[in-house]
Amino acid sequence: DAMVIQNPRYQVTQFGKPVTLSCSQTLNHNVMYWYQQKSSQAPKLLFHYYDKDFNNEADTPDNFQSRRPNTSFCFLDIRSPGLGDAAMYLCATSRDRANQPQHFGDGTRLSIL
Amino acid sequence: QQQVKQSPQSLIVQKGGISIINCAYENTAFDYFPWYQQFPGKGPALLIAIRPDVSEKKEGRFTISFNKSAKQFSLHIMDSQPGDSATYFCAASISGTYKYIFGTGTRLKVLA
Repeated sequence: DAMVIQNPRYQVTQFGKPVTLSCSQTLNHNVMYWYQQKSSQAPKLLFHYYDKDFNNEADTPDNFQSRRPNTSFCFLDIRSPGLGDAAMYLCATSRDRANQPQHFGDGTRLSIL
Repeated sequence: QQQVKQSPQSLIVQKGGISIINCAYENTAFDYFPWYQQFPGKGPALLIAIRPDVSEKKEGRFTISFNKSAKQFSLHIMDSQPGDSATYFCAASISGTYKYIFGTGTRLKVLA
């Protein structure tokens, strides 16, 4: 099945130690998104790529970066994780921007020690 | 206003009953309204979506009702089953944009 796949499902890192989360998609969608979701809250958009064009949300901390080396893959880099960054990180894709459904992966649960 | 207000925060329904979740918005530029279902430890999954040119859309046991003049839309789950127990998010977006505005979520529990 065409899917959005996130790896790893669970990630534990130490306070201040850089961490990278990955997302791949077989849908060949143009747009890839990264969301942060904390317990009992709605997903919060961090940034998205439309093809190679990177779009950052105004309130996304500089600590969060992203890379999209090709259509299929997108990475979330957290340069110096703090305790407040512990959350579920969700990747999503959509065909393009014009009111297309977003398809979510199952997320990576990040814990900070 | 970019908010989408969702209610109730939590809902308990007996098996076979009807679950109703409501959302309201202010921005009349919104023109796409999806509903997502999320199980613990999983990503949100698209359930059903509606555009404001229709007042109702039905897919199986799930129905969206849309009231454009009141700027409200709701999800109805008919014949609710224990397997429907999950968190439901409504969302809204504006044509040509990338961003969903999510509601705050409703945790549904269907009792067997």
